[in-house]
Amino acid sequence: DTEVTQTPKHLVMGMTNKKSLKCEQHMGHRAMYWYKQKAKKPPELMFVYSYEKLSINESVPSRFSPECPNSSLLNLHLHALQPEDSALYLCASSQDPAGVLWTQYFGPGTRLLVL
Amino acid sequence: EDKVVQSPLSLVVHEGDTVTLNCSYEVTNFRSLLWYKQEKKAPTFLFMLTSSGIEKKSGRLSSILDKKELFSILNITATQTGDSAIYLCAVVEYGNKLVFGAGTILRVKS
Repeated sequence: DTEVTQTPKHLVMGMTNKKSLKCEQHMGHRAMYWYKQKAKKPPELMFVYSYEKLSINESVPSRFSPECPNSSLLNLHLHALQPEDSALYLCASSQDPAGVLWTQYFGPGTRLLVL
Repeated sequence: EDKVVQSPLSLVVHEGDTVTLNCSYEVTNFRSLLWYKQEKKAPTFLFMLTSSGIEKKSGRLSSILDKKELFSILNITATQTGDSAIYLCAVVEYGNKLVFGAGTILRVKS
């Protein structure tokens, strides 16, 4: 089973709202990722968690706040977003990040629209 | 600055044609190169390449890496309309960073 699940599939929010995106995997992977993908562009890395600790933050604005409650779950808390934050948000996971060979498996994504 | 360049940016072929997609890279701390297929939603993993000259195959798809010349190719033989998608090349760096190319948009006409 190489499934990464994400909820919700679609989200519409106003600029003053607070919402959260959720990601879950049960493959025993110890690295999890958030990406942002705009239309006709490749995914852009936002955050990396290794062993439930934030290891990479690609200079993402503080209105995006990641959280990794346990090794299977990854959240992205959203607050005071801007319309330009509208995009497809992809979660991914991979095996032990210290290993030599690993692949990132992507979830289906949450399509976010900020009004 | 690390970069991954894919070519062509887009391609239109007829069913049954063979296509070759290219990916060149300049990154520090190279670990591996990944190919993904993206249709309407999330990228779907195709291949991971770590060693030069060893071809990976899956049905009509195959891929190979040249670490000396810093490129990889993805071949699709006997293309079908279901192969229409964006094909993404990504290079894995140490520190778990994935650097994506811009993708190649492939359209297969029936």
